[in-house]
Amino acid sequence: GAGVSQSPSNKVTEKGKDVELRCDPISGHTALYWYRQSLGQGLEFLIYFQGNSAPDKSGLPSDRFSAERTGGSVSTLTIQRTQQEDSAVYLCASSLMLGGLPDEQFFGPGTRLTVL
Amino acid sequence: DQQVKQNSPSLSVQEGRISILNCDYTNSMFDYFLWYKKYPAEGPTFLISISSIKDKNEDGRFTVFLNKSAKHLSLHIVPSQPGDSAVYFCAASRGDDKIIFGKGTRLHILP
Repeated sequence: GAGVSQSPSNKVTEKGKDVELRCDPISGHTALYWYRQSLGQGLEFLIYFQGNSAPDKSGLPSDRFSAERTGGSVSTLTIQRTQQEDSAVYLCASSLMLGGLPDEQFFGPGTRLTVL
Repeated sequence: DQQVKQNSPSLSVQEGRISILNCDYTNSMFDYFLWYKKYPAEGPTFLISISSIKDKNEDGRFTVFLNKSAKHLSLHIVPSQPGDSAVYFCAASRGDDKIIFGKGTRLHILP
């Protein structure tokens, strides 16, 4: 389909390992968002991209988290030296423009990360 | 096929009156429901949630009602304030599975 895709769908890793999560936004969408959903918690905003730049990185929980976007398309979220509290579902969303209409932000299915 | 539906793209309410945002879902396995609020150029923020074992949860001016037989939930805001103008997303999950969002409803609070 033509929706937002994320890979892998599930990732189990050992504490201390690095992980890389991928997001493929809808073609032509210039804005891309990363969120985290921890068990029993609300959605936590992590970072957004407008094109390849990230004007707001304030939601990244620590310096172990980083994200990049190349070519205005695919984005990767990297977590270094994973900790158990990093276990969550990581959601990506894209939209045609930042702050667009409510039906213009599309979410991917998420990556469930489990840190043992 | 949308599992979580918010059929009203937008809603306008007079300041001080009650705002009611509706949400329907199709998957009877959902057991946890959430509402998020989103301002332009910001990420969504968690607002209120309800477990499927309850039919009502209240937090200040916000109350969420769940009708499992109808697979329907609603968010009530009373009294509505200008700062409530935002997009509201309904979401649902099954256990610790990924959450499914509705498309959102834009709420306008009129002076």
